[in-house]
Amino acid sequence: DGGITQSPKYLFRKEGQNVTLSCEQNLNHDAMYWYRQDPGQGLRLIYYSQIVNDFQKGDIAEGYSVSREKKESFPLTVTSAQKNPTAFYLCASSALEASTGELFFGEGSRLTVL
Amino acid sequence: GQNIDQPTEMTATEGAIVQINCTYQTSGFNGLFWYQQHAGEAPTFLSYNVLDGLEEKGRFSSFLSRSKGYSYLLLKELQMKDSASYLCAVTDSNYQLIWGAGTKLIIKP
Repeated sequence: DGGITQSPKYLFRKEGQNVTLSCEQNLNHDAMYWYRQDPGQGLRLIYYSQIVNDFQKGDIAEGYSVSREKKESFPLTVTSAQKNPTAFYLCASSALEASTGELFFGEGSRLTVL
Repeated sequence: GQNIDQPTEMTATEGAIVQINCTYQTSGFNGLFWYQQHAGEAPTFLSYNVLDGLEEKGRFSSFLSRSKGYSYLLLKELQMKDSASYLCAVTDSNYQLIWGAGTKLIIKP
């Protein structure tokens, strides 16, 4: 079955630690995205990538980093510079040639800073 | 600035009909999406509107009026499994997705 896999589903981090969230897709989509979801707010875009070895900052990129070394993979690192990292993180992908630009989401990763 | 407004929470009865509204103010418009998200899970695609009018898909329908900056999602024959958050999102002139905060729908027996 084609889809997007995020791991881990739950992650706990001590202050000052970097953590990396994994996102893998086998949908052959060119575009991949990372969103952050907080209670009472809309999804906020952290980073996105439309092609291998290239990515763009979204609205809230500070304190985060990404890489896109392979089409299938788009890992997100939450660095110690991110002041309030506790949130639900969603990875998504889309086919750039699709007429609607529908996003396909992974199951999400919930990060808690202790 | 760009803004999407949806009610925070709605309650409806099993078997009934509910309409969830979404109003938007964006720089340009290239389509409107509705997604369903169960608690702690990923959003899943429900509908896409780019032209004015009603799109029907089973128990769910979505309506768009571009001149009014308005959309609604209509859910018929409500089932308990419809309890979820419903997210409205608009693609602006730069093809960036702007998301509403979501409407939490509570279904009561």
